[in-house]
Amino acid sequence: QLQLQESGPGLVKPSETLSLTCTVSGGSISSSSYYWGWIRQPPGKGLEWIGSIYYSGSTYYNPSLKSRVTISVDTSKNQFSLKLSSVTAADTAVYYCASTSLVATIPHFDYWGQGTLVTVSS
Amino acid sequence: DIQMTQSPSSLSASVGDRVTITCRASQSISSYLNWYQQKPGKAPKLLIYAASSLQSGVPSRFSGSGSGTDFTLTISSLQPEDFATYYCQQSYSTPRITFGPGTKVDIK
Repeated sequence: QLQLQESGPGLVKPSETLSLTCTVSGGSISSSSYYWGWIRQPPGKGLEWIGSIYYSGSTYYNPSLKSRVTISVDTSKNQFSLKLSSVTAADTAVYYCASTSLVATIPHFDYWGQGTLVTVSS
Repeated sequence: DIQMTQSPSSLSASVGDRVTITCRASQSISSYLNWYQQKPGKAPKLLIYAASSLQSGVPSRFSGSGSGTDFTLTISSLQPEDFATYYCQQSYSTPRITFGPGTKVDIK
């Protein structure tokens, strides 16, 4: 089964770019059976989908974040990455990477990383 | 974009109670509805997919129903380990998905 693990700085300064990587093990990121996505959760709040990427490189972003988000995939490392620019305190959250299964009857997030807290502060 | 709402936003219940959570979509999403359980400090866990299909390993006291715009998650007999926050999620517009705001179930 898949395992996903987020990595990256836990502290980012305001106006700078947040960068996280998700390493996938137990399967290939080049599989046509999955979208690879990022979801975040501000402290004490709900889940917000940030965006997703297909192995081909096709990307899909939350309209509310689209102008600041870039998601990319590195098939050689079996990783996908998130960059969020011009961050503010409102971007402080636990960031999760997750896989969306396209094989199931209805797409759903079946595997999640453990999450990583990113704090935006000077 | 498809908007999701949930009710109630929180509820207090006792062990053994029957609990029902409602999720509504802003447009018809057929059966493209999933339910997740999240405990503090943990990633969400899939409970129900396709509105009513129980994910492997999830206890049978959890069930889901509905189609179109209105959906429910029911816990037939609440257990201590069920105190958590529950989220619905539409996948009709995959990969552009949206989550509901969540329902927190705590101990009465």
